[in-house]
Amino acid sequence: DTGVSQNPRHKITKRGQNVTFRCDPISEHNRLYWYRQTLGQGPEFLTYFQNEAQLEKSRLLSDRFSAERPKGSFSTLEIQRTEQGDSAMYLCASSRQGPNSYNEQFFGPGTRLTVL
Amino acid sequence: EDQVTQSPEALRLQEGESSSLNCSYTVSGLRGLFWYRQDPGKGPEFLFTLYSAGEEKEKERLKATLTKKESFLHITAPKPEDSATYLCAVRGGWGNYQLIWGAGTKLIIKP
Repeated sequence: DTGVSQNPRHKITKRGQNVTFRCDPISEHNRLYWYRQTLGQGPEFLTYFQNEAQLEKSRLLSDRFSAERPKGSFSTLEIQRTEQGDSAMYLCASSRQGPNSYNEQFFGPGTRLTVL
Repeated sequence: EDQVTQSPEALRLQEGESSSLNCSYTVSGLRGLFWYRQDPGKGPEFLFTLYSAGEEKEKERLKATLTKKESFLHITAPKPEDSATYLCAVRGGWGNYQLIWGAGTKLIIKP
């Protein structure tokens, strides 16, 4: 399978714990995005990488959230001191840069986070 | 402020009953309008990109169209397997790669 993969698929944690999610993009894609989605809503942008550089970060993203893409391949999203309001589906997407691309983003299956 | 509004929120159709979903948008300098399908518990699945007013794209029973203010997703003779949430997103502004999303239309096709 050459699509976007995310791990874990589900995570249950207690309030105050730290969690980390991993995203492996489509291999030839140099752009990677993280979104958060709650029930009945569209995805909400969190952050964006081009290669290893983090170029955009939502102003809604608190300092408890951090993302890395150390070698321009896979990415991790860490949430520190989780709160119940962090419960959501965390989606990763990737896209390629090119003259014939409108930056179509392809999504992984998501990581469902539940904070108790 | 860039904004995307989808209507209706939910749509129930009988199998074979054609209809349309609406996506209205306001964005400074449209750099693409995107349609996705999302099944419960899964990530969005890319369907179409539209870039300029008058453009149309088709895939099986789906046809997407674009004007300067809105996009329509027409579904012809739908089947139960077309049941899903259909999401619309726009990208606006040079050098801006994030997508602004609507809340989606939940489509239910009854056999």
